[in-house]
Amino acid sequence: SQQGEEDPQALSIQEGENATMNCSYKTSINNLQWYRQNSGRGLVHLILIRSNEREKHSGRLRVTLDTSKKSSSLLITASRAADTASYFCATNNDMRFGAGTRLTVKP
Amino acid sequence: SQTIHQWPATLVQPVGSPLSLECTVEGTSNPNLYWYRQAAGRGLQLLFYSVGIGQISSEVPQNLSASRPQDRQFILSSKKLLLSDSGFYLCAWSAGAGELFFGEGSRLTVL
Repeated sequence: SQQGEEDPQALSIQEGENATMNCSYKTSINNLQWYRQNSGRGLVHLILIRSNEREKHSGRLRVTLDTSKKSSSLLITASRAADTASYFCATNNDMRFGAGTRLTVKP
Repeated sequence: SQTIHQWPATLVQPVGSPLSLECTVEGTSNPNLYWYRQAAGRGLQLLFYSVGIGQISSEVPQNLSASRPQDRQFILSSKKLLLSDSGFYLCAWSAGAGELFFGEGSRLTVL
């Protein structure tokens, strides 16, 4: 079974806009992680948020975690064309990924 | 620093031929190791994971197998490839329940 499920499946925005993508999971977790994948490449770890944290920032990334709803969101502010990629979430107790969110940022 | 190597990067194989993809990790000991497969435009499917030498857990029954002959070496194999085995294969490692570090992937086309 899959733990992390991302939505929307695809998101297209203009450069400078913010992008929000969501992740839902099924069971209790110790941490949740977000990854980025450029086309044809391996995944790169972006940020990890622990179950006792509600929000975490890293540069233009903001991650929130709501353990009561078993959901997380990734916000990319002031998006750039270089942010175009697929984004995935995974939880510590189940290193499985969903189908991801394909983000396209138009210049 | 830790690095992960995965090869070959690209291969084209006929149906029924064998497969061997190799992954090695440097700079760490006793990593958890993972093999994933990604179909075109899709998410990642966890195939195998290993928490130690000779310890392999299989997620999906299929004609693929994995082995861990050394602490930092993880091999994905098949005796006879199927068309459906085509995809992008990714190896990854982690230290316990932390973040995953991925290789650059191996793109397999079975004809």
